[in-house]
Amino acid sequence: SQQGEEDPQALSIQEGENATMNCSYKTSINNLQWYRQNSGRGLVHLILIRSNEREKHSGRLRVTLDTSKKSSSLLITASRAADTASYFCATATQGAQKLVFGQGTRLTINP
Amino acid sequence: GAGVSQSPRYKVAKRGQDVALRCDPISGHVSLFWYQQALGQGPEFLTYFQNEAQLDKSGLPSDRFFAERPEGSVSTLKIQRTQQEDSAVYLCASSLRFQGNNHLRYFGPGTRLTVT
Repeated sequence: SQQGEEDPQALSIQEGENATMNCSYKTSINNLQWYRQNSGRGLVHLILIRSNEREKHSGRLRVTLDTSKKSSSLLITASRAADTASYFCATATQGAQKLVFGQGTRLTINP
Repeated sequence: GAGVSQSPRYKVAKRGQDVALRCDPISGHVSLFWYQQALGQGPEFLTYFQNEAQLDKSGLPSDRFFAERPEGSVSTLKIQRTQQEDSAVYLCASSLRFQGNNHLRYFGPGTRLTVT
C-alpha cells in the first residue's frame, strides 16, 4: 500500500500563478523525492531532499521537508502551461531500495 | 544516450492469457525496479534487482507474477493467467548504483496492459 498522502488531489490555476502541493508520509525516511508524470508518459525525477535538509531549490521548484510533521511541500513558481502534469512524492527508507509513492496531485495550468 | 525503454508500449490480453513485458535499462545501470501503476494512482513497488540478483520481490501481488534479469541487463516481467485486476501501467526504472538509495531512478515510458 502507498505511504504518501498528497494534497490536493487536483489543482487548477492560471498561468503565472504559483502552485503548491503537499505530501505527508507515515514512517521515518532517508530521503523524499518529487516526480512529474505527463499523461501517458514515464516519471521524471524533479528533486531529492534528504532527511537532514529542510529546504531545497531547483530553478522554479522549491521543496521543503518537515520531518517532525512527516510532511513535504513542492512549490512551483511562475507556472507555465508545460507544467501541466501529475506530481508524485516518493519516500525512501534507510536500507531499502524501493521508493514508496503517494497518490499524486494532478496539476492543470490554464493559459 | 538512450533512456530506459520498455516493450510493448501497449498490450491487450484476454483474461487467462500469459503476458511478458520487457525492460531495457540504461546501459551500465546496476539496479532495476518494476512498479505497477493503476489508473489515477501512484506507482506501487513490485520487485528490485541488483545486477541479476532479485533482492526484493515483496511487492509482487501473487505467484502469477514473475520477474527475471538473467544477465543483469534486460529484465522481463511475466504475468501468468492474467486477470482484469492486472490492468495497469507497468513501469520499469533503473539506477546506476546500488549502495544507498539516494541515486536517481530513471523511469521508462511504461507498458499499458489491458486485460479484457
